[in-house]
Parts: sequence; C-alpha cells; structure tokens
Amino acid sequence: DTAVSQTPKYLVTQMGNDKSIKCEQNLGHDTMYWYKQDSKKFLKIMFSYNNKELIINETVPNRFSPKSPDKAHLNLHINSLELGDSAVYFCASSQPGQHNTEAFFGQGTRLTVV
Amino acid sequence: AQSVTQLDSQVPVFEEAPVELRCNYSSSVSVYLFWYVQYPNQGLQLLLKYLSGSTLVKGINGFEAEFNKSQTSFHLRKPSVHISDTAEYFCAVSLSNDYKLSFGAGTTVTVRA
Repeated sequence: DTAVSQTPKYLVTQMGNDKSIKCEQNLGHDTMYWYKQDSKKFLKIMFSYNNKELIINETVPNRFSPKSPDKAHLNLHINSLELGDSAVYFCASSQPGQHNTEAFFGQGTRLTVV
Repeated sequence: AQSVTQLDSQVPVFEEAPVELRCNYSSSVSVYLFWYVQYPNQGLQLLLKYLSGSTLVKGINGFEAEFNKSQTSFHLRKPSVHISDTAEYFCAVSLSNDYKLSFGAGTTVTVRA
C-alpha cells in the first residue's frame, strides 16, 4: 500500500493550458504539503494544509491553487501553464505534534511544459 | 528563519569506501534535523532524523549522522558504500513549532566499482 500517492507521474502539456495534480495519503496525517523540485534538484515548499486549512503559502504565483477536499487529499491546480513551471512536484504528509515526525513523500509528478 | 548548507554538491566514491556528506544549518532557535535520500526518478525517503537526545543517530541502510550543536552541523556518514547508494542526498531542517522543511541544495553521491 502506497502511503502517499500522486497522479499522474508524468505530465506533458502546452503553454497556456490548465492542469491538476492529485495527491492522496492513507497515513491518517493531518498535514499535507506541496514541494517543487527545480531542474537543479532544489526543493522548496509551496503550500501546506492542516486539517483542510491553508497554513503555509509561500511566494507562489496565483496561477497555483491548492485544494483540500478532506484531510487525506491535497490537489494542486495550475492555470495558464508557463515554461518555467516545468519541474517535479512532490506531495508529502506528516503528523506534527507527535514529536515532529518526518514527512512522507510521494513519488513525484514530473511536469513538462512545452 | 532557518537555512541549510550542504557543502559538497558532488561526491564520487569507490565501492566499499567510507563516505561523509557535510551539512551545516543556521537557526536562532532549536531545530529538528533530517537526511533524506532520493534515488533516480524516485521520491524522497527518510534516512534518519535528530529530534533530541543522543547526538549520534543511526538510520537505515547503515547510515549514521552526528548532531553537533556548537558547530551547527549534522554530517552524514557510512563506513562502506555500495553501488546501490548512488543517489541524491538532502539535508533538511525544521523548527519545533513549524510545519515546513527547509532543504539543502543536495549532494549527488556516485559510487563506482
């Protein structure tokens, strides 16, 4: 059983399109995250939700909108895709409060904008 | 705000040789420290973590790390590497009252026969 699963694993799309990436965790965690890994493999947090409430919103263009229908799901919708959005996007979950346990990561979604 | 510096961007090493990956952090408050590994085309997997207590932390796959508060370091070591240890290694830090991880730039370890 995959703890944190993302779909799709690969996504190739044209500039200007709108796309979504889905994430689900079956760990019972309250907190979920989206991280972006750029072409130099640098990882940076984008958003975090705790029990469906947005708690972290780093400096990310408004074209990126996270949506959490319930605490087990955190989807990422991207409008008007640009070439610079090409990256690997990782979903993660954790359960802060239990002595700050580690974050569990999904396998990543490689987004290529052409 | 906290930050993480990984001092080596690439570390080539021969099979069965030891390896050390260096990580320094800066923070004005107490932090939690982590090492993650990313195998090619995979997600991130936790190797080990330091939350409190003993400064020598043992993780999976024979890795260990030592927390040094005075030097603000959390270096990762393995006494004998395998070809399968070829991967990207990330040091990360979080504050005790914060949800997010701040990552270093990563160290690429390439193990050669």
